[in-house]
Amino acid sequence: LAKTTQPISMDSYEGQEVNITCSHNNIATNDYITWYQQFPSQGPRFIIQGYKTKVTNEVASLFIPADRKSSTLSLPRVSLSDTAVYYCLVGGNFNKFYFGSGTKLNVKP
Amino acid sequence: SQTIHQWPATLVQPVGSPLSLECTVEGTSNPNLYWYRQAAGRGLQLLFYSVGIGQISSEVPQNLSASRPQDRQFILSSKKLLLSDSGFYLCACSTGHLTNYGYTFGSGTRLTVV
Repeated sequence: LAKTTQPISMDSYEGQEVNITCSHNNIATNDYITWYQQFPSQGPRFIIQGYKTKVTNEVASLFIPADRKSSTLSLPRVSLSDTAVYYCLVGGNFNKFYFGSGTKLNVKP
Repeated sequence: SQTIHQWPATLVQPVGSPLSLECTVEGTSNPNLYWYRQAAGRGLQLLFYSVGIGQISSEVPQNLSASRPQDRQFILSSKKLLLSDSGFYLCACSTGHLTNYGYTFGSGTRLTVV
């Protein structure tokens, strides 16, 4: 089971780029890396998913080095509405997944 | 894509009372289903998961139980609630493979045990 480690919290200002790194040293060959965003009193929402190198969509980029032991979620030009908790999830057993403690991102004006 | 219906949105129950939370899934068949709990200011704790009708695996010993009477229905129950059962309960589904965007979550139930 691949355990993930993320910073507990981060602060940023509107318009800045935010990079949140997740460590997953014992990631398995078949594991994918997925990031979720959660607002208070809501279920987590999918942001981005990748296996290796770089993945980009309309809201974020995901950078995964060759050894895949870490990954970095990059949020370009954050706004106040990006204040949320961000979870890094690594696939282990295909039938159950465990969330880490997440990173609380606080975007300031 | 899958849609999860979860109700009620909020619930206040006295200690010792029973509990039944229901979750139904649309847009897929034979999904894997999950119940998570989130205490205030904490991460998500996996409580139960199911890979098929009548198949339930428990992750954490507690006074909660889960059942899956139909393919796309998942129920979380308790015979007697404890104060420590308070939290935000989330139902989730997946197709069983982490590719294909992993989980889809419901909107959650905020349970307060008084």
